[in-house]
Amino acid sequence: EPEVTQTPSHQVTQMGQEVILRCVPISNHLYFYWYRQILGQKVEFLVSFYNNEISEKSEIFDDQFSVERPDGSNFTLKIRSTKLEDSAMYFCASSPDGGGNQPQHFGDGTRLSIL
Amino acid sequence: AQSVAQPEDQVNVAEGNPLTVKCTYSVSGNPYLFWYVQYPNRGLQFLLKYITGDNLVKGSYGFEAEFNKSQTSFHLKKPSALVSDSALYFCAVRDKVLTGGGNKLTFGTGTQLKVEL
Repeated sequence: EPEVTQTPSHQVTQMGQEVILRCVPISNHLYFYWYRQILGQKVEFLVSFYNNEISEKSEIFDDQFSVERPDGSNFTLKIRSTKLEDSAMYFCASSPDGGGNQPQHFGDGTRLSIL
Repeated sequence: AQSVAQPEDQVNVAEGNPLTVKCTYSVSGNPYLFWYVQYPNRGLQFLLKYITGDNLVKGSYGFEAEFNKSQTSFHLKKPSALVSDSALYFCAVRDKVLTGGGNKLTFGTGTQLKVEL
């Protein structure tokens, strides 16, 4: 069964540094998402992306965050200047439609640790 | 705004016994409801969904969930629990459909299920 893959599995970065998290969504999916889960807390929506545009973003997704689909397969999340509170598990997800009938499929996540 | 509540942080059940993991929701329109399971160091794995139709939906690994509109609930159930079912379970909701798609999921806080021999 096709899967969403994320790299790296664990990223350690100094505060203030830029970090890029990478995701390869399922190949025939058209809608892409980033979520994060701070340790011990619930999964929170960050951003959704369709047709090379952001379709929705949360209050968390401020100017320090950006997303990009640089080629036909990758979907990246960039944090420009990391803060300690950015430490979390970041999940990428994709779905074949955005209308709600199909579930979002999640990757195994990237654990981001900011020192 | 849409929201989900999972009132129990942890549910303990003996193997072979039925299990229930509770979820209630709040949305402005018709709800799209999902259950996901998370094993240690893994992503969220889809179990089942309710979009429309029968109130009892069946999903993966013998799990099912009952949609109750009057009680705004979507409890996850399994007739006979297995030790391997031990994991973190998340209920999620999506309501309005944005034009252009990409509708976010709103998750509950999760319920840790522990199945013991």
